[in-house]
Amino acid sequence: EDQVTQSPEALRLQEGESSSLNCSYTVSGLRGLFWYRQDPGKGPEFLFTLYSAGEEKEKERLKATLTKKESFLHITAPKPEDSATYLCAVRDDYKLSFGAGTTVTVRA
Amino acid sequence: NAGVTQTPKFQVLKTGQSMTLQCAQDMNHEYMSWYRQDPGMGLRLIHYSVGAGITDQGEVPNGYNVSRSTTEDFPLRLLSAAPSQTSVYFCASSYGGTPWEQYFGPGTRLTVT
Repeated sequence: EDQVTQSPEALRLQEGESSSLNCSYTVSGLRGLFWYRQDPGKGPEFLFTLYSAGEEKEKERLKATLTKKESFLHITAPKPEDSATYLCAVRDDYKLSFGAGTTVTVRA
Repeated sequence: NAGVTQTPKFQVLKTGQSMTLQCAQDMNHEYMSWYRQDPGMGLRLIHYSVGAGITDQGEVPNGYNVSRSTTEDFPLRLLSAAPSQTSVYFCASSYGGTPWEQYFGPGTRLTVT
């Protein structure tokens, strides 16, 4: 059974204080690892897809990386608008399995 | 494009009642799915469809039915509501017949008393 574990559960940062979120996974045949952002009361919003170990993707202050067993979402010099819950998911055939998410709060 | 729309936004049911959560997308996406989101448990897949006329079960299908008669619509039916079905429900879609870059609706918050 696919398993996705995200850590930490919550992260409080000062504006400009860079940090990383972790997503560890076990899946029989990885066909993609996905990062989503979710704001309170809204549906998740797609950020990145990673397919193979060593791959990296960037978008503004966010950078996602992938190894054979985990992925990291690095937040560089975060701003208050980066506050959200970040979800990680892995794809196995026609299904996505999601982790519980990391809630990031960035204080000005 | 409206993207993925869901109705209603909020719903309160009594135990044993039935209802249908509506989901529609205007992006001509083949893949559609339903998730429920509970505190501390992340999103869990209920049912999914890879195209009109084709549906399959996800991780937590019990108590829910789906059908896909058109590409645009993917309703989720609760047969006999139970308090354990209190949750936030999200519908999502993606192009092609596979669940990669999914677009999510705004969600339906359901309370069963």
